Amino acid sequence: EAGVTQFPSHSVIEKGQTVTLRCDPISGHDNLYWYRRVMGKEIKFLLHFVKESKQDESGMPNNRFLAERTGGTYSTLKVQPAELEDSGVYFCASSQDRFAVYNEQFFGPGTRLTVL
Amino acid sequence: DQQVKQNSPSLSVQEGRISILNCDYTNSMFDYFLWYKKYPAEGPTFLISISSIKDKNEDGRFTVFLNKSAKHLSLHIVPSQPGDSAVYFCAASAGTSGTYKYIFGTGTRLKVLA
Repeated sequence: EAGVTQFPSHSVIEKGQTVTLRCDPISGHDNLYWYRRVMGKEIKFLLHFVKESKQDESGMPNNRFLAERTGGTYSTLKVQPAELEDSGVYFCASSQDRFAVYNEQFFGPGTRLTVL
Repeated sequence: DQQVKQNSPSLSVQEGRISILNCDYTNSMFDYFLWYKKYPAEGPTFLISISSIKDKNEDGRFTVFLNKSAKHLSLHIVPSQPGDSAVYFCAASAGTSGTYKYIFGTGTRLKVLA
């Protein structure tokens, strides 16, 4: 079974440009999460989808970040316009049961975003 | 305000000895705790978890201990192997609050010396 996949693995953009990150969760997983790790610090929660609905977006830094999960399958995270402080590694994770709080989350390899 | 703290950024242990990684938390609503292992250029990989109704969970060489009164958990690896060298993240969630999100610590880099 394929794990969580993320594309691209790396992205280098100029300040003010737009970047879109993509995440494909494990097939059949209702829950999809986005996290970010900045400069070797803790991994911080951004938001949580249950199928196509945003369940919790309390971690989204500001309105330059837009996440979507159309059809409840893959998800995209768009940053527009990108700022220097958006640099970091963006992780996507998925877990199986929409009603099970205690299922572990499976993480993808991450997208390393560098904003110059 | 960091709710999950890993105060040791790094730890070196001889192969075959015990590795003990520590984690402290402040939020008494946390009821589920996990340890993840992360190799460079990879995503975190789930290692072991424990719910707040238990004080110990064991899986092979890995044991997690939870001390709720001290708001402290630890991961024991016995015996340590060179392949265990990685960054270990402690994470917590407050499921009874209706949230599934994990709150992570900053990680501890473990180096197991052959």
